[in-house]
Amino acid sequence: KNQVEQSPQSLIILEGKNCTLQCNYTVSPFSNLRWYKQDTGRGPVSLTIMTFSENTKSNGRYTATLDADTKQSSLHITASQLSDSASYICVVSPSNSGYALNFGKGTSLLVTP
Amino acid sequence: GAVVSQHPSRVICKSGTSVKIECRSLDFQATTMFWYRQFPKKSLMLMATSNEGSKATYEQGVEKDKFLINHASLTLSTLTVTSAHPEDSSFYICSARDSAGGTSGIYEQYFGPGTRLTVT
Repeated sequence: KNQVEQSPQSLIILEGKNCTLQCNYTVSPFSNLRWYKQDTGRGPVSLTIMTFSENTKSNGRYTATLDADTKQSSLHITASQLSDSASYICVVSPSNSGYALNFGKGTSLLVTP
Repeated sequence: GAVVSQHPSRVICKSGTSVKIECRSLDFQATTMFWYRQFPKKSLMLMATSNEGSKATYEQGVEKDKFLINHASLTLSTLTVTSAHPEDSSFYICSARDSAGGTSGIYEQYFGPGTRLTVT
């Protein structure tokens, strides 16, 4: 069964600090891995998309890494801001699925003053 | 980036009535749209895949007669919750797949802002 596991489940950090969120997956064969940010009561917004051949991609203060051999990804947030408080969802797409996306349960991040 | 809208953003309806939710891709064409359901602090659950001009494909356990999906144009899909019950109360999110494709052959899916349905 294709699974996407995220850790930690929740995280509280002080404004200005960095943090790293983890994603492990068993999805195979693999096409791409996406990180989304979902604010409470809103739809997910794409942060990064990485294919098998990419091992790092940045979007402003967000940097995602991918190790396709170990099936692990991380999302690093630099110099956190209060507006970073949200749920961060790791989503993996199998290469034989057409459109299917496998969602992780997300990491709930709270940035405090 | 591309924008997907949903209407209404929140709706309250009485048990037994039906409610329609619209999903529109505003600046791109989407031959395929997806409907998800999300419970508090839970992951998105795919309900159905909506293809323009054809019948929707429903995930296992989703009643197609209860959740009617119509994808009448390349920019509009609708989800109608029929004979709503309190247990249908949830956050419904649509996403649209850009028919034009994306970088590296990956088709981006853009999510709508969601619709909060409360059935009383």
